[in-house]
Amino acid sequence: DAGITQSPRHKVTETGTPVTLRCHQTENHRYMYWYRQDPGHGLRLIHYSYGVKDTDKGEVSDGYSVSRSKTEDFLLTLESATSSQTSVYFCAIKGDRDNQPQHFGDGTRLSIL
Amino acid sequence: DAKTTQPTSMDCAEGRAANLPCNHSTISGNEYVYWYRQIHSQGPQYIIHGLKNNETNEMASLIITEDRKSSTLILPHATLRDTAVYYCIVSPSGYSTLTFGKGTMLLVSP
Repeated sequence: DAGITQSPRHKVTETGTPVTLRCHQTENHRYMYWYRQDPGHGLRLIHYSYGVKDTDKGEVSDGYSVSRSKTEDFLLTLESATSSQTSVYFCAIKGDRDNQPQHFGDGTRLSIL
Repeated sequence: DAKTTQPTSMDCAEGRAANLPCNHSTISGNEYVYWYRQIHSQGPQYIIHGLKNNETNEMASLIITEDRKSSTLILPHATLRDTAVYYCIVSPSGYSTLTFGKGTMLLVSP
């Protein structure tokens, strides 16, 4: 399996608190992605990164920010968590060659009460 | 990204070949066909991808029609562990993101 570690794997927190999810890779891949998965919606892209300090918004970026200060780490932050952000969050990585596929982590299950 | 159409669900007997179809009639010339699967609540698992030619790896075979408007993923000898949701996605090469639809729920039975 691709060297992707998501942390934490599970988290329960309260509305209004800040939350940071971490995606760590050991593959030295350039591209990293954050998706969320909710019943009835499938996976939806939140943000992605195409290099250190280079990020862009995805389909459902409102309420989320990201940072990538080094190649191996891509952080997703919920500045003030809301119940609508309860979801399963997946990180993905992709190599530099054009047709290389994305590989996904095991996910973080986040519950906001 | 081009849209894809897949059956909602399919059944397959253990040991038989599972043939999962996908229609992508609006696919562009630079778009690849990717197949992923998701077992229960795990992360999506990459299976195979192709552009024009048929492809085979240790997991599956991908058959793409000559006009590229449809494809079929073949699991040659399905096992119970192949029960999962299978996603067919078309996407350009490069860093393009993947757009997941609802996929096909494949149930492999004894």
